[in-house]
This record gives sequence, structure tokens and C-alpha cells, in this order.
Amino acid sequence: EDKVVQSPLSLVVHEGDTVTLNCSYEVTNFRSLLWYKQEKKAPTFLFMLTSSGIEKKSGRLSSILDKKELSSILNITATQTGDSAIYLCAVTGANSKLTFGKGITLSVRP
Amino acid sequence: NAGVTQTPKFQVLKTGQSMTLQCAQDMNHNSMYWYRQDPGMGLRLIYYSASEGTTDKGEVPNGYNVSRLNKREFSLRLESAAPSQTSVYFCASSSQLLMAGDTQYFGPGTRLTVL
Repeated sequence: EDKVVQSPLSLVVHEGDTVTLNCSYEVTNFRSLLWYKQEKKAPTFLFMLTSSGIEKKSGRLSSILDKKELSSILNITATQTGDSAIYLCAVTGANSKLTFGKGITLSVRP
Repeated sequence: NAGVTQTPKFQVLKTGQSMTLQCAQDMNHNSMYWYRQDPGMGLRLIYYSASEGTTDKGEVPNGYNVSRLNKREFSLRLESAAPSQTSVYFCASSSQLLMAGDTQYFGPGTRLTVL
């Protein structure tokens, strides 16, 4: 059974801090790892990672995959209150279905 | 281009009642999905449809049925609602069945309470 574990489950930081969110996985025939941001409603897509060691970047957010360690990190630099959300990690494997982790709740205090 | 739409946004049912959650996408996607999200459990796949005319069970299909009415629409039915089905339900779609390079787009969700 495919499995995704995210850590920490929650964290609180102050504006301007840098945070690193972790995702580890066990999946049969790994295809891709995805990061989503969920605020009050539906998840919105952030990144898809398929190749090890290649960083994907979007503004203050970046993510990288380590297939050897079966993990990924999502970094957010110079955090803002608008970054407060649940960050979801998901993987696809042989069955092409997404398996989600439980999410990391990030709170950014002014 | 509305993306993925879901109706209703909120619903309260009594135990044993039935209802259908509607989902539609206007992105010409082949694959559609239904998830439920419960506190501390993350998103769990209920059913999915790889393409028009096909449906398959996900992780938690018991108590639900689905219909892929056409390429645009994918409905989720609760025949006899139970309090354990109180959850937020998300519909999603993707162009194909999540191959590398693809991504999913989510609807706004339906908050269902079963009393």
C-alpha cells in the first residue's frame, strides 16, 4: 500500500522566517510527487516533481525531490501571513492514483 | 472557463437519506476523481474515472456509488447516508490518469453533515 508521511504536522513561524516542510513516501513504481497548498477551500497545485535533484522554484517557494531518500522538501523563504495554509504532499505510483499525506499546517504570525 | 465546479456547497442529511453530489469540468479532461477530507486524515480517494465510460474504486469506496455521465460530469451518490460520511468532498480532474507532467485541478468542495 502506498504511503506518504509529512512532517512536522504543524508549525508556527513569524513573518520573514524560512521554513522547510518534509515529505517522505513509500510507493510502488514511483511516477511523481506533487505539492499542494490548501487555504480555506480546495487544494491548489504548487509543484510536480519527477526527477531527483532538480529544484523547482516559484517565487519564494521551491521544492526538490530525492529519490534515493524517498523524500521531498518544500522551502518557503521570507514567509508572509498569506503563506498560512495546509501544505499537502501526494505521490503517484503504478496505479496512477494520488496518495496524499495528512498535510502540514503552517501558521505565519505577523 | 470555470474549471471544476461542484454542487451543492453545503448539505445536511439525516441518517438513511440519499443524495447525489454533482461535479463538472470544462477543461476537456479525461480523468475525474472524488475525494473525501477528514480532520487528521488527509485526502482519501473514494472513486475515480480514468476516462468516459470507466469507473474504479479508490481507497474508501464503501457506501458510495459513482456515475461518469459524460466526459464533463462525474457524480457521487450516497444511497443511505451515515454519520461516518460527514466530511468535505472534493471532486478533481486531470487530462490523463496522472502521468508524469500532469496535474490535478480541484473543485471548491462540498461540506456534508449527516445527523
